[in-house]
Parts: sequence; structure tokens; C-alpha cells
Amino acid sequence: DSGVTQTPKHLITATGQRVTLRCSPRSGDLSVYWYQQSLDQGLQFLIQYYNGEERAKGNILERFSAQQFPDLHSELNLSSLELGDSALYFCASSVVGGAGELFFGEGSRLTVL
Amino acid sequence: GQQVMQIPQYQHVQEGEDFTTYCNSSTTLSNIQWYKQRPGGHPVFLIQLVKSGEVKKQKRLTFQFGEAKKNSSLHITATQTTDVGTYFCAEGGGGGFKTIFGAGTRLFVKA
Repeated sequence: DSGVTQTPKHLITATGQRVTLRCSPRSGDLSVYWYQQSLDQGLQFLIQYYNGEERAKGNILERFSAQQFPDLHSELNLSSLELGDSALYFCASSVVGGAGELFFGEGSRLTVL
Repeated sequence: GQQVMQIPQYQHVQEGEDFTTYCNSSTTLSNIQWYKQRPGGHPVFLIQLVKSGEVKKQKRLTFQFGEAKKNSSLHITATQTTDVGTYFCAEGGGGGFKTIFGAGTRLFVKA
């Protein structure tokens, strides 16, 4: 158990819909990262937050947005969903001032039909 | 932007054979991290290398960081079926910067 909690574990929805994925980082971790992993593919960096502020952005679509709340949990919002958005979405957190090791949650598997 | 290239994409080995995956960058890396993702699982941190020429071992796993800090390798001696999964390298950004992953090497081990 990494200590990072993601909900929901599985989500099935239709094209055009909007979903929210939730992540609670490990206790004490201020940084939250979001990654997308399509079937048998690599980990595509989406966005990173540090103590409530956006710090780095990857290839995140405009239809996607995220935020980190004062209690440090984060949400990834995916809207106007397309079939190609079907993927495993991972959240990870890291220790402040540590070696940069990322602790991953178990992921949220999104299926868009 | 940051990019780490990883080869091979796939590797099939017979149990007991050795396995190596390589990670390369066109720019100097501040560090290199290695993660393992079991089938159906999430990535799990294995190790981080920071110093030029650094070599670290974890049982049958040997990790190397190149002298120029532009490449790294992970070598597994005498693979076992429990080694199956995808091995990713990444340049770790620390608490304030993004961590970019290589495409990963998927290891298949035949008993």
C-alpha cells in the first residue's frame, strides 16, 4: 500500500460526458502528479500541483483540468469525453524535500463507450 | 523538452537468462529513477541514481548511471517469473518539478 488513494477504481461512461477522478496523497506529501496510461502504453505526464498551485504541465488536453485543494487532495476533471480518453489514470505524490521518489495510487480505469 | 528514450520496448527471456534495459537522453540528466509496474498494477519505485558513474545493486538487480549522466541501465541476473512486468526509467523532478518517464520495457519470462 503506497498510501495514495484514488477513487473511483473503475468508471464507465459515454462519449460527451464529464467525469471527476479523485486523489488523496500520502500524509505529508505536498506534490501531486497526474499521469495517463493508455492500454499497454507508457506513462504520459499530465499535470503537477505543489501545495495547491500548478507547477508543471504536460500534454494535457484543454478538455481536461485539475486542481489541488487546501487539504491537498486533488481532482482531475475530464470533459467532453472521447473514446480515445479511455485509459488508466494514475495519481502520484512525492515527499517534500525528498529524493523525488513518486508514490503511485492504484489508478482509476476509465472506459468511454 | 525533457525526454528519455528507453530500449528495448519488449524482451522475452527464458527463466534464468539475464535481462538488460537501457535508458538514454540527449541532455544531461539530474538523476535517473527506475520503477517497476507489474501486470495490472501500479508503478513502484525501485531506486534513484544521482552521481556520475554510480552503480547500485538490489539482490539480482544492478543499476548504472553513465559517466556523462546521459544514460542508465538496469540489469537483472538470472531472471525469475516474478520479474515480469514493465520497467520504466524516469528523470525525477523532485518535489517541485515534473517527472518524465521513458516508454518502458516490458519483460516476459518463460518458465
